[in-house]
Amino acid sequence: QSALTQPPSASGSPGQSVTISCTGTTSDVGGYNYVSWYQQHPGKAPKLMIYEVSKRPSGVPDRFSGSMSGNTASLTVSGLQAEDEADYYCSSYAGSNNLLFGGGTKLTVL
Amino acid sequence: QVQLVESGGGVVQPGGSLRLSCAASGFTFSSYGMHWVRQAPGKGLEWVAFIRYDGSNKYYADSVKGRFTISRDNSKNTLYLQMNSLRVEDTAVYYCAKETGLYSSSPVDMDVWGRGTTVTVSS
Repeated sequence: QSALTQPPSASGSPGQSVTISCTGTTSDVGGYNYVSWYQQHPGKAPKLMIYEVSKRPSGVPDRFSGSMSGNTASLTVSGLQAEDEADYYCSSYAGSNNLLFGGGTKLTVL
Repeated sequence: QVQLVESGGGVVQPGGSLRLSCAASGFTFSSYGMHWVRQAPGKGLEWVAFIRYDGSNKYYADSVKGRFTISRDNSKNTLYLQMNSLRVEDTAVYYCAKETGLYSSSPVDMDVWGRGTTVTVSS
Protein backbone atom coordinates (compact mmCIF):
# COMPACT_ATOMS: atom_id res chain seq x y z
CA GLN A 1 0.00 0.00 0.00
CA SER A 2 1.17 3.50 -0.83
CA ALA A 3 1.69 6.27 1.68
CA LEU A 4 -1.02 8.86 2.05
CA THR A 5 -0.47 12.04 0.02
CA GLN A 6 0.39 15.29 1.78
CA PRO A 7 1.76 18.53 0.33
CA PRO A 8 5.49 18.76 1.12
CA SER A 9 5.17 22.27 2.49
CA ALA A 10 2.71 24.83 3.81
CA SER A 11 3.14 28.28 5.29
CA GLY A 12 1.33 31.15 6.91
CA SER A 13 1.98 34.29 8.90
CA PRO A 14 1.42 34.55 12.65
CA GLY A 15 -2.28 34.81 13.45
CA GLN A 16 -3.37 33.35 10.11
CA SER A 17 -4.92 29.95 9.47
CA VAL A 18 -3.39 27.18 7.41
CA THR A 19 -4.87 23.87 6.26
CA ILE A 20 -2.88 20.74 5.45
CA SER A 21 -4.49 18.01 3.37
CA CYS A 22 -4.04 14.24 3.50
CA THR A 23 -5.40 12.29 0.55
CA GLY A 24 -5.94 8.57 0.48
CA THR A 25 -8.44 6.13 -0.95
CA THR A 26 -11.67 4.41 -0.01
CA SER A 27 -9.47 1.64 1.43
CA ASP A 28 -7.94 3.89 4.05
CA VAL A 29 -8.85 7.55 4.72
CA GLY A 30 -12.28 7.34 3.13
CA GLY A 31 -13.13 3.97 4.57
CA TYR A 32 -12.65 4.58 8.27
CA ASN A 33 -12.98 7.40 10.81
CA TYR A 34 -9.47 6.67 12.01
CA VAL A 35 -7.35 9.52 10.73
CA SER A 36 -4.77 11.00 13.08
CA TRP A 37 -2.37 13.94 12.89
CA TYR A 38 1.06 14.18 14.49
CA GLN A 39 3.34 17.16 15.05
CA GLN A 40 7.10 16.63 15.03
CA HIS A 41 9.68 19.26 15.86
CA PRO A 42 13.24 18.68 14.63
CA GLY A 43 15.02 15.99 16.61
CA LYS A 44 11.94 15.26 18.71
CA ALA A 45 9.41 12.46 18.91
CA PRO A 46 6.05 12.90 17.19
CA LYS A 47 3.12 14.23 19.24
CA LEU A 48 -0.50 13.27 18.69
CA MET A 49 -2.54 16.37 17.81
CA ILE A 50 -5.77 14.93 16.40
CA TYR A 51 -7.25 11.43 16.47
CA GLU A 52 -10.36 9.82 15.01
CA VAL A 53 -10.53 12.60 12.39
CA SER A 54 -11.44 15.49 14.67
CA LYS A 55 -10.84 14.64 18.33
CA ARG A 56 -8.21 16.57 20.30
CA PRO A 57 -6.19 14.89 23.07
CA SER A 58 -6.07 16.66 26.39
CA GLY A 59 -3.58 19.51 26.32
CA VAL A 60 -3.70 20.17 22.58
CA PRO A 61 -4.81 23.77 21.89
CA ASP A 62 -8.19 24.20 20.23
CA ARG A 63 -6.39 26.11 17.48
CA PHE A 64 -5.83 22.67 15.98
CA SER A 65 -8.81 21.04 14.31
CA GLY A 66 -9.40 18.12 11.98
CA SER A 67 -12.00 17.28 9.37
CA MET A 68 -12.62 14.88 6.51
CA SER A 69 -14.42 14.92 3.18
CA GLY A 70 -14.47 11.82 1.02
CA ASN A 71 -10.95 10.43 0.75
CA THR A 72 -9.25 13.60 2.00
CA ALA A 73 -8.63 14.55 5.60
CA SER A 74 -7.49 18.00 6.67
CA LEU A 75 -5.70 19.58 9.61
CA THR A 76 -6.36 23.27 10.20
CA VAL A 77 -4.16 25.37 12.43
CA SER A 78 -5.81 28.67 13.34
CA GLY A 79 -4.11 31.67 14.91
CA LEU A 80 -0.67 30.46 13.81
CA GLN A 81 2.08 30.81 16.37
CA ALA A 82 5.83 30.50 15.97
CA GLU A 83 5.88 27.25 17.95
CA ASP A 84 3.55 25.64 15.40
CA GLU A 85 6.44 25.49 12.93
CA ALA A 86 7.10 21.76 12.61
CA ASP A 87 6.54 18.73 10.41
CA TYR A 88 3.01 17.33 10.39
CA TYR A 89 2.10 13.77 9.50
CA CYS A 90 -1.30 12.23 8.95
CA SER A 91 -2.02 8.55 9.46
CA SER A 92 -4.98 6.33 8.69
CA TYR A 93 -6.12 2.85 9.50
CA ALA A 94 -5.99 0.98 6.19
CA GLY A 95 -7.89 -2.19 6.98
CA SER A 96 -6.50 -5.69 7.58
CA ASN A 97 -4.64 -4.34 10.59
CA ASN A 98 -2.45 -2.01 8.59
CA LEU A 99 -1.62 1.60 9.36
CA LEU A 100 -0.43 4.14 6.80
CA PHE A 101 1.34 7.45 7.27
CA GLY A 102 1.45 10.39 4.94
CA GLY A 103 4.75 11.68 3.61
CA GLY A 104 4.69 14.69 5.91
CA THR A 105 4.21 18.44 5.51
CA LYS A 106 6.70 21.02 6.68
CA LEU A 107 4.78 23.96 8.13
CA THR A 108 6.64 27.26 8.10
CA VAL A 109 5.48 30.26 10.10
CA LEU A 110 6.58 33.29 8.11
CA GLN B 1 4.31 10.41 34.40
CA VAL B 2 3.62 8.31 31.34
CA GLN B 3 6.93 7.38 29.75
CA LEU B 4 8.42 5.11 27.11
CA VAL B 5 12.17 4.59 26.90
CA GLU B 6 13.72 2.70 24.00
CA SER B 7 17.10 1.00 24.03
CA GLY B 8 19.11 -1.51 22.04
CA GLY B 9 19.94 0.48 18.93
CA GLY B 10 23.37 0.42 17.36
CA VAL B 11 25.39 -0.30 14.25
CA VAL B 12 25.00 -3.70 12.61
CA GLN B 13 26.12 -5.21 9.32
CA PRO B 14 23.63 -6.16 6.60
CA GLY B 15 22.18 -9.57 7.35
CA GLY B 16 22.71 -9.10 11.07
CA SER B 17 20.28 -9.01 13.98
CA LEU B 18 19.37 -6.58 16.72
CA ARG B 19 16.83 -6.57 19.55
CA LEU B 20 15.19 -3.34 20.63
CA SER B 21 13.50 -2.86 23.99
CA CYS B 22 11.01 -0.28 25.21
CA ALA B 23 10.44 0.18 28.95
CA ALA B 24 7.03 1.59 29.83
CA SER B 25 5.99 3.38 33.02
CA GLY B 26 3.20 5.56 34.35
CA PHE B 27 0.29 3.62 32.83
CA THR B 28 -1.20 0.11 32.91
CA PHE B 29 1.00 -1.39 30.20
CA SER B 30 -0.98 -4.63 30.01
CA SER B 31 -4.13 -2.75 28.97
CA TYR B 32 -2.81 -1.14 25.79
CA GLY B 33 -1.66 -2.22 22.38
CA MET B 34 1.83 -1.07 21.45
CA HIS B 35 3.52 -0.04 18.22
CA TRP B 36 6.94 0.31 16.69
CA VAL B 37 7.31 3.16 14.19
CA ARG B 38 10.50 4.09 12.36
CA GLN B 39 11.88 7.14 10.62
CA ALA B 40 14.75 6.88 8.14
CA PRO B 41 17.20 9.80 8.09
CA GLY B 42 15.49 12.84 6.58
CA LYS B 43 12.37 10.84 5.76
CA GLY B 44 8.84 10.46 7.06
CA LEU B 45 7.28 8.12 9.58
CA GLU B 46 6.68 4.46 8.74
CA TRP B 47 4.54 2.15 10.84
CA VAL B 48 6.43 -1.10 11.53
CA ALA B 49 4.43 -3.34 13.85
CA PHE B 50 1.63 -3.56 16.43
CA ILE B 51 0.94 -6.00 19.24
CA ARG B 52 -2.34 -6.38 21.05
CA TYR B 53 -2.49 -5.53 24.75
CA ASP B 54 -2.36 -9.21 25.72
CA GLY B 55 0.16 -10.21 23.06
CA SER B 56 -2.32 -12.50 21.33
CA ASN B 57 -2.15 -10.80 17.94
CA LYS B 58 0.73 -9.17 16.09
CA TYR B 59 0.65 -7.23 12.83
CA TYR B 60 3.48 -6.05 10.59
CA ALA B 61 4.17 -3.74 7.67
CA ASP B 62 4.93 -5.65 4.47
CA SER B 63 8.46 -4.21 4.47
CA VAL B 64 9.42 -6.10 7.64
CA LYS B 65 7.10 -9.11 7.59
CA GLY B 66 9.03 -12.35 8.08
CA ARG B 67 12.14 -10.52 9.34
CA PHE B 68 10.96 -8.60 12.42
CA THR B 69 9.10 -9.94 15.45
CA ILE B 70 7.26 -7.79 17.96
CA SER B 71 6.69 -9.15 21.45
CA ARG B 72 5.93 -7.96 24.97
CA ASP B 73 6.41 -8.99 28.59
CA ASN B 74 3.56 -7.51 30.59
CA SER B 75 5.16 -8.65 33.85
CA LYS B 76 8.15 -6.43 33.03
CA ASN B 77 6.22 -3.59 31.32
CA THR B 78 8.50 -4.01 28.34
CA LEU B 79 7.99 -4.11 24.57
CA TYR B 80 10.49 -5.72 22.21
CA LEU B 81 11.37 -5.74 18.53
CA GLN B 82 13.58 -8.56 17.27
CA MET B 83 15.08 -7.55 13.95
CA ASN B 84 16.70 -10.22 11.78
CA SER B 85 18.12 -10.20 8.25
CA LEU B 86 18.67 -6.47 8.53
CA ARG B 87 19.04 -4.42 5.36
CA VAL B 88 20.61 -1.04 4.70
CA GLU B 89 17.10 0.35 4.19
CA ASP B 90 16.19 -0.57 7.78
CA THR B 91 18.47 2.24 8.97
CA ALA B 92 16.24 4.57 11.00
CA VAL B 93 15.26 5.93 14.37
CA TYR B 94 12.88 3.40 15.91
CA TYR B 95 10.14 4.71 18.17
CA CYS B 96 7.88 2.71 20.42
CA ALA B 97 4.44 4.17 20.90
CA LYS B 98 1.33 3.44 22.93
CA GLU B 99 -2.00 2.85 21.22
CA THR B 100 -4.53 5.45 22.29
CA GLY B 101 -7.52 3.23 22.93
CA LEU B 102 -7.88 0.96 25.94
CA TYR B 103 -7.84 -2.73 24.97
CA SER B 104 -7.60 -1.82 21.29
CA SER B 105 -7.18 -4.81 18.99
CA SER B 106 -6.09 -2.89 15.88
CA PRO B 107 -3.40 -0.33 15.06
CA VAL B 108 -5.19 3.02 14.94
CA ASP B 109 -3.31 5.87 16.61
CA MET B 110 -0.59 6.58 19.18
CA ASP B 111 -0.84 9.01 22.07
CA VAL B 112 2.49 8.42 23.82
CA TRP B 113 5.87 8.13 22.09
CA GLY B 114 9.37 7.37 23.27
CA ARG B 115 12.38 9.42 22.21
CA GLY B 116 13.59 6.69 19.86
CA THR B 117 16.68 4.56 19.42
CA THR B 118 18.88 4.68 16.32
CA VAL B 119 19.59 1.61 14.21
CA THR B 120 22.27 1.85 11.54
CA VAL B 121 22.75 -1.00 9.08
CA SER B 122 26.03 -0.60 7.27
CA SER B 123 29.01 -2.63 6.18
